[in-house]
Amino acid sequence: EPEVTQTPSHQVTQMGQEVILRCVPISNHLYFYWYRQILGQKVEFLVSFYNNEISEKSEIFDDQFSVERPDGSNFTLKIRSTKLEDSAMYFCASRWASGSNEQFFGPGTRLTVL
Amino acid sequence: DQQVKQNSPSLSVQEGRISILNCDYTNSMFDYFLWYKKYPAEGPTFLISISSIKDKNEDGRFTVFLNKSAKHLSLHIVPSQPGDSAVYFCAASDSGGGADGLTFGKGTHLIIQP
Repeated sequence: EPEVTQTPSHQVTQMGQEVILRCVPISNHLYFYWYRQILGQKVEFLVSFYNNEISEKSEIFDDQFSVERPDGSNFTLKIRSTKLEDSAMYFCASRWASGSNEQFFGPGTRLTVL
Repeated sequence: DQQVKQNSPSLSVQEGRISILNCDYTNSMFDYFLWYKKYPAEGPTFLISISSIKDKNEDGRFTVFLNKSAKHLSLHIVPSQPGDSAVYFCAASDSGGGADGLTFGKGTHLIIQP
């Protein structure tokens, strides 16, 4: 069964450094998402991406964040200058098309900012 | 600002019995609702969804009920099995098919007792 994959599974970085989290969505899906879950809190929407552009972003998704689909398979989240409070699980999700909103999630990347 | 609320942090149910997980929402624009199951160190797994034009959707042991007037939905699992022990998230969107991100509740930890 096709699934969303994410790399790395765990990323440790120093405060102020740039990180890139990578995702390979399900191959025929058209909508892509990033979410995060800070330890002990709920899953929060960051950004959605469709047709090579951002469709929607939350107030969390400020100027330090960016997303890109550099080729036909990868979908990346870049955090330019990490802060301690960026430590969280980051989940990528994808969805096939409009008409339903079943999003399929990857296993997540645990980001630890020291 | 909790637009999706799961008021029971945990629920313990005997194996073979019915598990009922509840979810309330405040945003009347939500028109699509989903339940996800999550094991530790994994991403959320899609279980079942319901559109606001319906009041019930069933898939095997899982049934979701929607009461729009009360802004309430519930997930019924019958019979409950040990493998159902996980955290269950209620999620909602107001797109009905666009690119909007999901708004999640805080989750209910379901424990199935043998």
